[in-house]
Amino acid sequence: QQQVRQSPQSLTVWEGETAILNCSYENSAFDYFPWYQQFPGEGPALLISILSVSDKKEDGRFTIFFNKREKKLSLHIADSQPGDSATYFCAASGAGFASALTFGSGTKVIPCLP
Amino acid sequence: GPKVLQIPSHQIIDMGQMVTLNCDPVSNHLYFYWYKQILGQQMEFLVNFYNGKVMEKSKLFKDQFSVERPDGSYFTLKIQPTALEDSAVYFCASSRDRGHERLFFGHGTKLSVL
Repeated sequence: QQQVRQSPQSLTVWEGETAILNCSYENSAFDYFPWYQQFPGEGPALLISILSVSDKKEDGRFTIFFNKREKKLSLHIADSQPGDSATYFCAASGAGFASALTFGSGTKVIPCLP
Repeated sequence: GPKVLQIPSHQIIDMGQMVTLNCDPVSNHLYFYWYKQILGQQMEFLVNFYNGKVMEKSKLFKDQFSVERPDGSYFTLKIQPTALEDSAVYFCASSRDRGHERLFFGHGTKLSVL
């Protein structure tokens, strides 16, 4: 049972445009949603996170939009740049867990020149 | 920034042999984790460890798996005996505290069981 789903699997975005990565979850107990960025050959690194009490979190070019009712969230990467080429993982965990993150399968973002 | 080191980066062994994966977590972190990622799939939680004890483990953490951190040295994942389905990249992570804490991941150890 895949509790955290991501789409698309791969995303090509023009440089300067906004990439939109989607995530949905099933477990209503999840209340913490970090996004991790992973470059080839490296481990994932925390990019930005949101708690379920918020519907939006912004950090520079990265914004999370969260819809608790629909159990959906999205990561928007504004002004896409070559350095954004990576795989982005949506993850989730619930209160009372010891950070047992459940990860989605990832979205590979590929910026390209217009 | 803080780094988690994993040794070795790649390990090739024959099925049935024992293998130990080593992790040097961030120095002041108290919580340690292992995740397993099969190629093309999401990262899956195996186990977390605090104060010398396993706190949580998933159904993927088979009886053949064990973890320890003797005398504050490496945090290790031992698999004995190995099976073909153990082939994957194993990521170690650490965090300062529990709950909704940032996890710092290593670069992973690719385990190939032949």
